[in-house]
Amino acid sequence: GAVVSQHPSRVICKSGTSVKIECRSLDFQATTMFWYRQFPKQSLMLMATSNEGSKATYEQGVEKDKFLINHASLTLSTLTVTSAHPEDSSFYICSATGHSSPYEQYFGPGTRLTVT
Amino acid sequence: QKEVEQNSGPLSVPEGAIASLNCTYSDRVSQSFFWYRQYSGKSPELIMSIYSNGDKEDGRFTAQLNKASQYVSLLIRDSQPSDSATYLCAVNPNNNDMRFGAGTRLTVKP
Repeated sequence: GAVVSQHPSRVICKSGTSVKIECRSLDFQATTMFWYRQFPKQSLMLMATSNEGSKATYEQGVEKDKFLINHASLTLSTLTVTSAHPEDSSFYICSATGHSSPYEQYFGPGTRLTVT
Repeated sequence: QKEVEQNSGPLSVPEGAIASLNCTYSDRVSQSFFWYRQYSGKSPELIMSIYSNGDKEDGRFTAQLNKASQYVSLLIRDSQPSDSATYLCAVNPNNNDMRFGAGTRLTVKP
């Protein structure tokens, strides 16, 4: 149980374009989903927290107009990186919590974004 | 002071030995504690959760929690080369948000 998927696993895009990353909870309803970013050899950095049907809460320093988060259902959240630049190249990972284990976060496999 | 502190390592142990990973946290009211394993290039995987003082064992893994000392540890018995990874300590201070340590890189040498 507690499986989270992400799509795509890898994406390469040109500077100035937008990229959408999907995060799905496959076998449970995700009450809360989290989006993290991780640069090489660094720890996870929380970008935002989202609850189904409400606006995401962004961490300090994360531009909400650049990183658009939509949590449209209890099994799907999307992160759109708008007007991507090379410095946005990173490993983006989502996680989710459910009713049965509200404090345990289960991570998706991650999406490696490269902006050229 | 960082909210969750870990020794970055690398920690190197021989195969079959006990690996001991330590973590301290700053928020005294924290109630939930987790250990994640992250292989290079992969996302974190939850391996242990602990909520009460004392020890919790799961296979070769034992998590230890001491809330008075604000200290949580992970012991890996009979370490295997496949245990080589970065181990992230995570603390949930308010039951809604998770704070991660920077991780300890463990290498188990055959």
